Amino acid sequence: KAGVTQTPRYLIKTRGQQVTLSCSPISGHRSVSWYQQTPGQGLQFLFEYFSETQRNKGNFPGRFSGRQFSNSRSEMNVSTLELGDSALYLCASSLENRANSPLHFGNGTRLTVT
Amino acid sequence: GDSVTQMEGPVTLSEEAFLTINCTYTATGYPSLFWYVQYPGEGLQLLLKATKADDKGSNKGFEATYRKETTSFHLEKGSVQVSDSAVYFCALTSGSSNTGKLIFGQGTTLQVKP
Repeated sequence: KAGVTQTPRYLIKTRGQQVTLSCSPISGHRSVSWYQQTPGQGLQFLFEYFSETQRNKGNFPGRFSGRQFSNSRSEMNVSTLELGDSALYLCASSLENRANSPLHFGNGTRLTVT
Repeated sequence: GDSVTQMEGPVTLSEEAFLTINCTYTATGYPSLFWYVQYPGEGLQLLLKATKADDKGSNKGFEATYRKETTSFHLEKGSVQVSDSAVYFCALTSGSSNTGKLIFGQGTTLQVKP
């Protein structure tokens, strides 16, 4: 069974631009969540989608947004990029809608903002 | 709010040494607890989990016991290998509506030398 797939693997953008990251969950998984990983702040929760609905949102500005499609694939968008948005963005999917359902992570998209 | 505190690294051990990585948490309610591992250039992989007090999670020789009285979930392994070198994250999630919202510790880097 294929794992969580994130594309692209690497991105370089300049300040002020916008970017879209894509995530394909494991087949059959309906919950997708996104995390930002930086050396300074560690792993921080961005948002979670289940059956195309946003269920949770972390403490990030409105420049960060996401969506989920009917096939459970998800995208996140960051507008008006800032240098501080440089990070590894991780997507995770889970099978069941329960708190102890383990998350399966993709290998991430490395975003560099110059 | 909920939080996770891990011992700072890096932790450097010789092969076959005993490993302990401390993790304590603050949470309302009854969280599920997890250890994830991240190898270089990859996303996070679930190592083990425990969903209620006194549960012991185990996998690949690693163990951790959910201690509610001390709010701890320390990771242990009796004999580490070079291949165990990675970053280890303790995490929690609480509440049935927060399936994808993991709160992570800062991570502990483990280096195992031959």
